[in-house]
Amino acid sequence: NAGVTQTPKFQVLKTGQSMTLQCAQDMNHNSMYWYRQDPGMGLRLIYYSASEGTTDKGEVPNGYNVSRLNKREFSLRLESAAPSQTSVYFCASSDQGTEKLFFGSGTQLSVL
Amino acid sequence: AQSVTQLGSHVSVSEGALVLLRCNYSSSVPPYLFWYVQYPNQGLQLLLKYTSAATLVKGINGFEAEFKKSETSFHLTKPSAHMSDAAEYFCAVSFSSNTGKLIFGQGTTLQVKP
Repeated sequence: NAGVTQTPKFQVLKTGQSMTLQCAQDMNHNSMYWYRQDPGMGLRLIYYSASEGTTDKGEVPNGYNVSRLNKREFSLRLESAAPSQTSVYFCASSDQGTEKLFFGSGTQLSVL
Repeated sequence: AQSVTQLGSHVSVSEGALVLLRCNYSSSVPPYLFWYVQYPNQGLQLLLKYTSAATLVKGINGFEAEFKKSETSFHLTKPSAHMSDAAEYFCAVSFSSNTGKLIFGQGTTLQVKP
């Protein structure tokens, strides 16, 4: 069972470049999330999707956009990367009616 | 604003010793509380969760946590540390059920010495 798969695992960008982080889950979960992890700050919610076709902002949405392509896939886009977006990004999913999150292994992003 | 505070960014114990990781939350409404563990280069995994059924919650790998409303705390304990427990531990809260929109604490790195 793959669970939650994120690509790429590592990425280096220059300031102003754009990129899309991909996430897919094979557990038939309705809800999907994007979190970022920064040292000393824990994880913070960027965007989430409660179900296919819906997305909503989390705690730190500025500078990001998301697309819930279908039930399996939830992508995160940085339109114009900034050094402040250097972080580890985690995608997660959960089944409807539960708070238990299943996490991917993360994408380490550096913006120079 | 709701928040979660983990006291101590690093905790070091000897193998076989008691593990105590502290978590306090701020809320006027009893929340749903969680502990997650992150092993190196992996995503987070759920250790245990409190959802008001019982104040003492047992999780995986011998961990447990006690919800104390009067102290707004949800500390994580394990009677005897094992080398494999070395990881980063996150306390998290949710103020509504049926959602994975969590507020995480800053994390505590647990070191286990032989």
